[in-house]
Amino acid sequence: AQSVTQPDIHITVSEGASLELRCNYSYGATPYLFWYVQSPGQGLQLLLKYFSGDTLVQGIKGFEAEFKRSQSSFNLRKPSVHWSDAAEYFCAVGGRGYSTLTFGKGTMLLVSP
Amino acid sequence: EPEVTQTPSHQVTQMGQEVILRCVPISNHLYFYWYRQILGQKVEFLVSFYNNEISEKSEIFDDQFSVERPDGSNFTLKIRSTKLEDSAMYFCASSEQEGQYFGPGTRLTVL
Repeated sequence: AQSVTQPDIHITVSEGASLELRCNYSYGATPYLFWYVQSPGQGLQLLLKYFSGDTLVQGIKGFEAEFKRSQSSFNLRKPSVHWSDAAEYFCAVGGRGYSTLTFGKGTMLLVSP
Repeated sequence: EPEVTQTPSHQVTQMGQEVILRCVPISNHLYFYWYRQILGQKVEFLVSFYNNEISEKSEIFDDQFSVERPDGSNFTLKIRSTKLEDSAMYFCASSEQEGQYFGPGTRLTVL
């Protein structure tokens, strides 16, 4: 069965500092991996996705993620966090671009001044 | 930029009542989905829909749930007899082949 683990429930980062959110997945075939962001009361916005090719993918809002097959990981990074990045971040895995997604429990990012 | 829209944004209903949640997917997308997120929990898959039929459904999607694409633009989720535990945020998503795009959600509160 497929699963996603986001080990950090909350993370607090100072504004301007770098960020890394961890995601580990379990999937029996080639995974399609996604990061979504959810601001309070809002829907899920697609930040970036990995299907194949270059293992370092760039997304919107200055985010990037690196796929590491050997570690079954797809960690999200940003070099310099802005206060507007405070939100909940979800990692998800699926089998293709249109197959159903399995989500992690999310990581709440808090940004301190 | 095209986006998925959902109505209403918030629905309050009495236990046992029927509710219909509406979604307008992105116009050139062919795959449609419903997910839900109970407060404080993770997003869970309910059902996927392609070519006018259900392509996959989860254990959550029992006989109380149904989906329909009544016309060329709308995609609906019906809950026939709501229970307290149906209270959640319901997200519609649509996809071509490049990933799923989610709507803003409908918060369903069952009293």
